[in-house]
Amino acid sequence: DIQMTQSPSSLSASVGDRVTITCRTSQSISIYLNWYQQKPGKAPKLLIYAASSLQSGVPSRFSGSGSGTDFTLTISSLQPEDFATYYCQQTYSIRLTFGGGTKVEIK
Amino acid sequence: QVQLQESGPGLVKPSETLSLTCTVSGGSVSSGSYYWSWIRQPPGKGLEWIGYIYYSGSINYNPSLKSRVTISVDTSKNQFSLKLSSVTAADTAVYYCARGLGYCSGGNCLRFDYWGQGTLVTVSS
Repeated sequence: DIQMTQSPSSLSASVGDRVTITCRTSQSISIYLNWYQQKPGKAPKLLIYAASSLQSGVPSRFSGSGSGTDFTLTISSLQPEDFATYYCQQTYSIRLTFGGGTKVEIK
Repeated sequence: QVQLQESGPGLVKPSETLSLTCTVSGGSVSSGSYYWSWIRQPPGKGLEWIGYIYYSGSINYNPSLKSRVTISVDTSKNQFSLKLSSVTAADTAVYYCARGLGYCSGGNCLRFDYWGQGTLVTVSS
């Protein structure tokens, strides 16, 4: 199985801050990595697919980068509606797996 | 606009079978490069992929659940379903149905672009 490690598990930030979340995989997954945002009581929402492709309708302040085993989700200027939990997901392996999540809280 | 809606019992007894249905509107379960999927989330925890059925009928299950899971499609009702047998308290979770969309020719080019709102299933006697 491909293990996925997100860091940090939580962070506190202010509106306007630049936020970076990292996802590391236990083996190379090329670019087969997606990022999702989940707010309390809601279903996850796709933000980024194929490591760096922005899903239609998602604000451009969200960006993704990386390949192989190391990936990053960046929010260039944190907005009030961005406080949520973020998950990475690999689709390289036939057993799809998610990272443990990163909770972004208000400082 | 594609919409997915889960339905089924919110309470299941231990050792029984959990059965959920996802009704798809705004699109067809029998067309396109879609992977009709189930994902769950135990209360306060992360996401776990359960499995999917491809529009062509091929199926892929999470190996950790494979012996207990069945996913099927009913094209006449534009629905797909999940059955999870021999449930225990560890199967208590919010269950989501989702549409997986292939974005290239390979089988691992997959993103979950539409999700249902989720339904909480509690396993308890």
